[in-house]
Amino acid sequence: NAGVMQNPRHLVRRRGQEARLRCSPMKGHSHVYWYRQLPEEGLKFMVYLQKENIIDESGMPKERFSAEFPKEGPSILRIQQVVRGDSAAYFCASSPPGNTIYFGEGSWLTVV
Amino acid sequence: TQLLEQSPQFLSIQEGENLTVYCNSSSVFSSLQWYRQEPGEGPVLLVTVVTGGEVKKLKRLTFQFGDARKDSSLHITAAQPGDTGLYLCAGPSGDNFGNEKLTFGTGTRLTIIP
Repeated sequence: NAGVMQNPRHLVRRRGQEARLRCSPMKGHSHVYWYRQLPEEGLKFMVYLQKENIIDESGMPKERFSAEFPKEGPSILRIQQVVRGDSAAYFCASSPPGNTIYFGEGSWLTVV
Repeated sequence: TQLLEQSPQFLSIQEGENLTVYCNSSSVFSSLQWYRQEPGEGPVLLVTVVTGGEVKKLKRLTFQFGDARKDSSLHITAAQPGDTGLYLCAGPSGDNFGNEKLTFGTGTRLTIIP
């Protein structure tokens, strides 16, 4: 049973470009979460999604960030017009309803 | 806002020594989880403690949840180089969610010197 798959693992973007991070949950998991880990900081919750629904986006920056989990395909975290402060590791996690969450290996975004 | 403070922030000890790291909060948590994260990888769940006063053992690792469910500790016996990593505690936050929306501590970066 494959774990939570994230890609790309490493992404470099110039300031002003768009970054798209993808996450395929574990088989049978209908809930997806995104967390961000800034350099020298802890993991911070960003958003919680179920298929075609955003359940809680209280940790998402108000501008430039969006997330989706379509009926078919992976969850996407999209960052528009990236700035240097967006450089971080972005972790996706998944779970069955009300159960333990499992983290992917992360996507490292570097904005130059 | 529920905060989790971990101490020490950094710890470097010789192989074979024992150590304890701490996770403290002024808030009550319904449960606490401990993760280990290695460089370039995601956090891996080690244990979940749920009941106040609970003690769980995982080989050489002993986890304890405080009686008031505001703090937790991780004790490692006879540390080995493979124990090196970032240890994170985390607890559920928010009103209506279980383990999905987690508040993480800032972590203890442990280095075991061979």
